[in-house]
Amino acid sequence: GENVGLHLPTLSVQEGDNSIINCAYSNSASDYFIWYKQESGKGPQFIIDIRSNMDKRQGQRVTVLLNKTVKHLSLQIAATQPGDSAVYFCAEEGGSNYKLTFGKGTLLTVNP
Amino acid sequence: DVKVTQSSRYLVKRTGEKVFLECVQDMDHENMFWYRQDPGLGLRLIYFSYDVKMKEKGDIPEGYSVSREKKERFSLILESASTNQTSMYLCASSLGPVGNIQYFGAGTRLSVL
Repeated sequence: GENVGLHLPTLSVQEGDNSIINCAYSNSASDYFIWYKQESGKGPQFIIDIRSNMDKRQGQRVTVLLNKTVKHLSLQIAATQPGDSAVYFCAEEGGSNYKLTFGKGTLLTVNP
Repeated sequence: DVKVTQSSRYLVKRTGEKVFLECVQDMDHENMFWYRQDPGLGLRLIYFSYDVKMKEKGDIPEGYSVSREKKERFSLILESASTNQTSMYLCASSLGPVGNIQYFGAGTRLSVL
């Protein structure tokens, strides 16, 4: 939504730098995780997912790391571009079918 | 390409009106979801459906109902709109049970006056 970035943690980076966005999840039984990107005025867009039997997965310019010991998930964006400016949030699934639990999100701002 | 379409981007309604939000997906997905998104609260699940004519309450179902008469269409109904239902409403769908990506529509910004 237009004001979804309010009240969120923020990360400001320079264009070309790498970005790391963190997420602490709550349920130790969660076994599937997704990162979404949400630009202003748009719906969440799938970026990358990872299952609990993996600790790392790479996509195009993005890498997700999963640390089950401390229930932590991170999204790394390489060579961040102005078009990467958005709210990023993680989602976890586990314990009940079909339902994802979403984090509150982080607002990423890329400075040219 | 994955497509979830919400019928309206913006809606303005009056308190007490009955409101219908429509969502259509073209991916033959089993599961469909309705969320609302508010600043500081994130995405909260209102209702979901895992099959035609099946529905389950999410975390905040009060004041809402849903209808799924066809696999591709999932409707959210506000029986009597109230100002605290002013929000961004997001529809999503996914292929099947567990471990599947939820794909979202663009959202409907509803204002209840």
